[in-house]
Amino acid sequence: DTAVSQTPKYLVTQMGNDKSIKCEQNLGHDTMYWYKQDSKKFLKIMFSYNNKELIINETVPNRFSPKSPDKAHLNLHINSLELGDSAVYFCASSTGGSSYNSPLHFGNGTRLTVT
Amino acid sequence: SQQGEEDPQALSIQEGENATMNCSYKTSINNLQWYRQNSGRGLVHLILIRSNEREKHSGRLRVTLDTSKKSSSLLITASRAADTASYFCATDGNQFYFGTGTSLTVIP
Repeated sequence: DTAVSQTPKYLVTQMGNDKSIKCEQNLGHDTMYWYKQDSKKFLKIMFSYNNKELIINETVPNRFSPKSPDKAHLNLHINSLELGDSAVYFCASSTGGSSYNSPLHFGNGTRLTVT
Repeated sequence: SQQGEEDPQALSIQEGENATMNCSYKTSINNLQWYRQNSGRGLVHLILIRSNEREKHSGRLRVTLDTSKKSSSLLITASRAADTASYFCATDGNQFYFGTGTSLTVIP
């Protein structure tokens, strides 16, 4: 069984469109994250939710809006897509909100290509 | 920036050789973690070392931490072709900070 699953795996769309990426974890973790990995493999956090509440919101354009309907799900909606949004987006989860002694469990990523 | 920085950016070795990757960071930490990323996949946690630990082992992996130099190293012994991947260190702050990774290629 997949621990952290995100869909879709690939997403190709045109500039200006709105798209969503879904993430679900079955690990019972309290905290979920969205990371963006650029073409140079740099991995940067975008958002973090603990028990459905936003706890980290890095400097991300407000075109990006996370939504957590319950602690097992964290979706990412992106409005008015731009070329620079092309990247691989990873969902991850961990135990214990502000405790950074627990490892992150990652999904396999969503490769977003904006044309 | 607080992110870890891995060195070298790329490493190519023969199967059976040891591979050493280094990580440097800039601020004090509570722990440092190493992750592996296979092509087209998410990151997988390998090992966590706390700031009061100097060395930790897990199978063929050996991690060292020198908090005075703000650096860590990951040693993979007796490498295998399946070890081919990118390796990242992550430091904690109020979140996890990742570097850009070391791309390891193990030639069979």
